Amino acid sequence: DVKVTQSSRYLVKRTGEKVFLECVQDMDHENMFWYRQDPGLGLRLIYFSYDVKMKEKGDIPEGYSVSREKKERFSLILESASTNQTSMYLCASSLIYTEYEQYFGPGTRLTVT
Amino acid sequence: AQTVTQSQPEMSVQEAETVTLSCTYDTSESDYYLFWYKQPPSRQMILVIRQEAYKQQNATENRFSVNFQKAAKSFSLKISDSQLGDAAMYFCASGGSQGNLIFGKGTKLSVKP
Repeated sequence: DVKVTQSSRYLVKRTGEKVFLECVQDMDHENMFWYRQDPGLGLRLIYFSYDVKMKEKGDIPEGYSVSREKKERFSLILESASTNQTSMYLCASSLIYTEYEQYFGPGTRLTVT
Repeated sequence: AQTVTQSQPEMSVQEAETVTLSCTYDTSESDYYLFWYKQPPSRQMILVIRQEAYKQQNATENRFSVNFQKAAKSFSLKISDSQLGDAAMYFCASGGSQGNLIFGKGTKLSVKP
């Protein structure tokens, strides 16, 4: 069974703090993704990575950065958290080709106050 | 740009009845894949069904089936014999050209006992 885990289910941070969201997958998947999920907006892609140290911007990369030092781990970084980054963050992984399904983590609900 | 549209923000179905969730998409890819994902309340997103665009035959997984109309770019999900456990957010997604997924905004399905 593919397993994608995220470091926290719930996180509360203050405006201006640096925030790290960690994601780990155990199936040797090449691709990893970070999405943001907001009511009425669906899932929007923030960043994705198709290999170690590689990253590509998604639809809404502003205010975020990512790091992939190891194949199994993909981190999302909020350099200076703002209230409009309060959201549910979903990590996913997949094999490299587009026909393969993405496997999702349980999500991190981040609140920035 | 690829787009996925789910025109029904909410749907309701009586237990044991059949419900159809709508999805239309737009892509310039010649070969692509379409997905329906289910996100139960406070639980992980999981794949329900996948359709390969070059296949004429509609995909089926137990009580879940799709009506894929390639020319109309329509990809609806039919749930037969609805069960209480089917209550969830359902997301339609199209495989992007870089291995990512383009999601619709979701349809919240309620199942009435």
